[in-house]
Amino acid sequence: GENVEQHPSTLSVQEGDSAVIKCTYSDSASNYFPWYKQELGKGPQLIIDIRSNVGEKKDQRIAVTLNKTAKHFSLHITETQPEDSAVYFCAATPGAGTYKYIFGTGTRLKVLA
Amino acid sequence: NAGVMQNPRHLVRRRGQEARLRCSPMKGHSHVYWYRQLPEEGLKFMVYLQKENIIDESGMPKERFSAEFPKEGPSILRIQQVVRGDSAAYFCASSPKGSGELFFGEGSRLTVL
Repeated sequence: GENVEQHPSTLSVQEGDSAVIKCTYSDSASNYFPWYKQELGKGPQLIIDIRSNVGEKKDQRIAVTLNKTAKHFSLHITETQPEDSAVYFCAATPGAGTYKYIFGTGTRLKVLA
Repeated sequence: NAGVMQNPRHLVRRRGQEARLRCSPMKGHSHVYWYRQLPEEGLKFMVYLQKENIIDESGMPKERFSAEFPKEGPSILRIQQVVRGDSAAYFCASSPKGSGELFFGEGSRLTVL
């Protein structure tokens, strides 16, 4: 079955710097890759997603890139702010049954003021 | 426009007791999913339901766990004879259709003493 690996597990950056989180997946049939932000005590919130027919997507300070050949995708946050501090999860959905998200193990991002 | 509502937010049970977690999907959503998050881990798929139907329960432990989504009322995840290993955050998500973006609730945190 699908397996998603996420790195790094923790990441500290200075306010204003960029942060990059990387994920790899194993199932070449996966076609939808969402990123979720989870703040302490809250549920995951979708921040950006990408489908397999697109290589890059950007939304203000957040961007996601997808390399289907290498089976990896990355989250890029530019001009980080303290409110970006949270746990970020990547996920992939297998081709069959797109509701069954396979999540990475999360990256705890700390933005230092 | 209320989001996915889960209750209780926190639940404490002693070993051997039963835990019932409730989830009301977003308005207009008829697809409900339950995920479990162990401490410091990503979310793991448990079960996918539509009204009065279990579509996929491949992520549910075979014993003690059950889920339902009746015609009227919230979806319920029931854990019988809880053990310490059941301590986790249980997240419900909903979607308007059986694929694409999932909207998560804030979770129910179960602690088994």
